[in-house]
Amino acid sequence: SAVISQKPSRDICQRGTSLTIQCQVDSQVTMMFWYRQQPGQSLTLIATANQGSEATYESGFVIDKFPISRPNLTFSTLTVSNMSPEDSSIYLCSVEDLPGISTDTQYFGPGTRLTVL
Amino acid sequence: ELKVEQNPLFLSMQEGKNYTIYCNYSTTSDRLYWYRQDPGKSLESLFVLLSNGAVKQEGRLMASLDTKARLSTLHITAAVHDLSATYFCAVDREYGNKLVFGAGTILRVKS
Repeated sequence: SAVISQKPSRDICQRGTSLTIQCQVDSQVTMMFWYRQQPGQSLTLIATANQGSEATYESGFVIDKFPISRPNLTFSTLTVSNMSPEDSSIYLCSVEDLPGISTDTQYFGPGTRLTVL
Repeated sequence: ELKVEQNPLFLSMQEGKNYTIYCNYSTTSDRLYWYRQDPGKSLESLFVLLSNGAVKQEGRLMASLDTKARLSTLHITAAVHDLSATYFCAVDREYGNKLVFGAGTILRVKS
């Protein structure tokens, strides 16, 4: 299984500022995903990040608010821009399983707990 | 639009009892996932169900999938306290690993 790390694990930010969250995977994966889990809620897909192309955003999420980078096959960043208290959530990255030895499982990182004051 | 509904949303069980969590989804999908989340933790993959009639078991948990009914079940046998967690089902929206999650079932097993 893929090992996924995220930085930071948590942060407290002031409204109007931006935070960049990093996701590192220990093996090369084609597709990486960013999810949001608002307090006490389920997970919602923000966007899909493919290396070498623009991220694909889900309905209700826009690039200006959540810019994403995917510079290589093991790394991605999600920026939460111009934050407001409504952005307080856990942000998780996930990856599909490795091609060739796939178990068809999607693995999740440990998450970044963001609090906006 | 794919919708995924779980029930119950909260389940309080006595140790040793059996119970089932249900996951209904609204459109055809090839893959259904069950995850466990402990408080303050990320998601742990429990099962991936890929075909109609698929059944998988791990310890006291057994998951099944009926694609015709668009229904998956997670059956808990002889519950123990360690199973207390939130359980999510998720459905692959378009065979692109774009998961739509249910609301989650908070399970509390009382000794």
